[in-house]
Amino acid sequence: SQQGEEDPQALSIQEGENATMNCSYKTSINNLQWYRQNSGRGLVHLILIRSNEREKHSGRLRVTLDTSKKSSSLLITASRAADTASYFCATDDGNNRLAFGKGNQVVVIP
Amino acid sequence: EPEVTQTPSHQVTQMGQEVILRCVPISNHLYFYWYRQILGQKVEFLVSFYNNEISEKSEIFDDQFSVERPDGSNFTLKIRSTKLEDSAMYFCASSPGQGNQPQHFGDGTRLSIL
Repeated sequence: SQQGEEDPQALSIQEGENATMNCSYKTSINNLQWYRQNSGRGLVHLILIRSNEREKHSGRLRVTLDTSKKSSSLLITASRAADTASYFCATDDGNNRLAFGKGNQVVVIP
Repeated sequence: EPEVTQTPSHQVTQMGQEVILRCVPISNHLYFYWYRQILGQKVEFLVSFYNNEISEKSEIFDDQFSVERPDGSNFTLKIRSTKLEDSAMYFCASSPGQGNQPQHFGDGTRLSIL
């Protein structure tokens, strides 16, 4: 099954800066999704990008997908303290079974 | 905004006991899922459920596990005889359909096996 792997694992930035996270996977996918998890809470869906899409935006989030390199990136622009969380990528091979990466912990310092 | 709710938030059980984790998916969703996250590890898929039957299950979902939709709103995960290694966060999720649909997750149940 696919295994998303994010890079880097932990990121500490100042409020207002941009944060970029990368994710790689191993096999073909139907879509790739990014989720956020605040401490002790569930996973919140952020954005879904289909395998035939290259870039997608949602508010301050920008996701890219390069299927030839089997990689995706999540950019959070103008970060806020409330963006402090763990961010996970997850791949869907078309069977609705998401395969998650280990997650990136992002700390935004006010 | 509708959300997936899970109860209890924390369950402590003796090894060998049966445990039932409960979930109320979003009301107009048709697909339901269970995932688990062992401390420090990745979130892992367990099972998906559609039209009152299992549609996909992982290698983790062995005979000790079962799922049920006992009524029109609840979706449960039962572990028949718990082991220490079943200690994890268990997340329920639902989606309106399949194919390029986001999954909406509950806040999870922390299961601790003693």
